[in-house]
Amino acid sequence: EAGVVQSPRYKIIEKKQPVAFWCNPISGHNTLYWYLQNLGQGPELLIRYENEEAVDDSQLPKDRFSAERLKGVDSTLKIQPAELGDSAVYLCASSQGPGELFFGEGSRLTVL
Amino acid sequence: QKEVEQNSGPLSVPEGAIASLNCTYSDRGSQSFFWYRQYSGKSPELIMFIYSNGDKEDGRFTAQLNKASQYVSLLIRDSQPSDSATYLCAVNPGGSQGNLIFGKGTKLSVKP
Repeated sequence: EAGVVQSPRYKIIEKKQPVAFWCNPISGHNTLYWYLQNLGQGPELLIRYENEEAVDDSQLPKDRFSAERLKGVDSTLKIQPAELGDSAVYLCASSQGPGELFFGEGSRLTVL
Repeated sequence: QKEVEQNSGPLSVPEGAIASLNCTYSDRGSQSFFWYRQYSGKSPELIMFIYSNGDKEDGRFTAQLNKASQYVSLLIRDSQPSDSATYLCAVNPGGSQGNLIFGKGTKLSVKP
């Protein structure tokens, strides 16, 4: 069974540029999460989807971050414009039930 | 603010010893508890979960939960160098419907 797939693995951009990350969850997993992980920290939730619906986006900085999950499968997380402080690893995860998350390899963003 | 606290380490143990990793949480209504392992440069992977007070064993791993003390631990018996990683404690607080709150992780080093 294929795991959670994310792309790109690495992205280097200059500040104020836009960037987008893509995630394909495990087949059959209705719940999809985007987490942010800074070096030496645990993952922090940005947004959680149940099928197409964003059920918790309270931690998503909506002035520059947006996300979508069309058709309840793939998801895209966008940052526009990126700031220096956005440099981090963006993790996508999916689950069938609460808590048992399966993570993708992550997308490492460097903003110069 | 719901919090999950872990000693960041590093915790260093000799090969073959028992490694003990500890975690406390602030939300008394928390329902479920998870341990994730994260190798350097990799994404977290689930190794144990526990829902009820007491011990839960899986191979060399034992999770222990004490809800009265708001304390969860992970014991690794016969530690191997391949166990060297950061161990993340994650808690599903009451009412969050699956949103995990992660600790910062404890870095474990198993010396041959």
